[in-house]
Amino acid sequence: AQSVTQPDIHITVSEGASLELRCNYSYGATPYLFWYVQSPGQGLQLLLKYFSGDTLVQGIKGFEAEFKRSQSSFNLRKPSVHWSDAAEYFCAVGARNTDKLIFGTGTRLQVFP
Amino acid sequence: GAGVSQSPRYKVAKRGQDVALRCDPISGHVSLFWYQQALGQGPEFLTYFQNEAQLDKSGLPSDRFFAERPEGSVSTLKIQRTQQEDSAVYLCASSLARNTEAFFGQGTRLTVV
Repeated sequence: AQSVTQPDIHITVSEGASLELRCNYSYGATPYLFWYVQSPGQGLQLLLKYFSGDTLVQGIKGFEAEFKRSQSSFNLRKPSVHWSDAAEYFCAVGARNTDKLIFGTGTRLQVFP
Repeated sequence: GAGVSQSPRYKVAKRGQDVALRCDPISGHVSLFWYQQALGQGPEFLTYFQNEAQLDKSGLPSDRFFAERPEGSVSTLKIQRTQQEDSAVYLCASSLARNTEAFFGQGTRLTVV
């Protein structure tokens, strides 16, 4: 069965520090992979997605993620975090024969000045 | 509007009451999804429409949950005889076609008392 694991429930970083949010997935074939961000009271906004091709994917707001098939991972990175990045981040996997998404439980990012 | 619109934003229902949640997708979007997000959890898939056809309802938790999209645009998620465990944020998303970005609404927060 498809599943997504985000091992870190809560991460705190200082503004300007680098960030890596972990995501591991379980899927029988090559999945579609996504990172979404959710601010309080807001819907989900897509940061980036991987469908095929280059395994290093660039997204909005300076985020990037790397698909590593051997590790079943799709970690999200940002070289320098801004206070406005504080939010909940969700990794998701999509099947190629259906458009529904399986989400992880999320990582809450807190940014200190 | 330009985005996915959901109404109401907040709904308080007494246990046993029926509720109806509305989703207005982005105009022209073929695919429509409903997700349920419990507090502190990631969204969980409920059901999927392609135009007016409900292609996947495998995530609906019980026969008290019913969704429709009769004209292939606006969708309604109905919950009959609400229970406390139905308390959650219900998210709607739409996408232009298969395997394209899904845009999420802000959600309806349902509280069953």
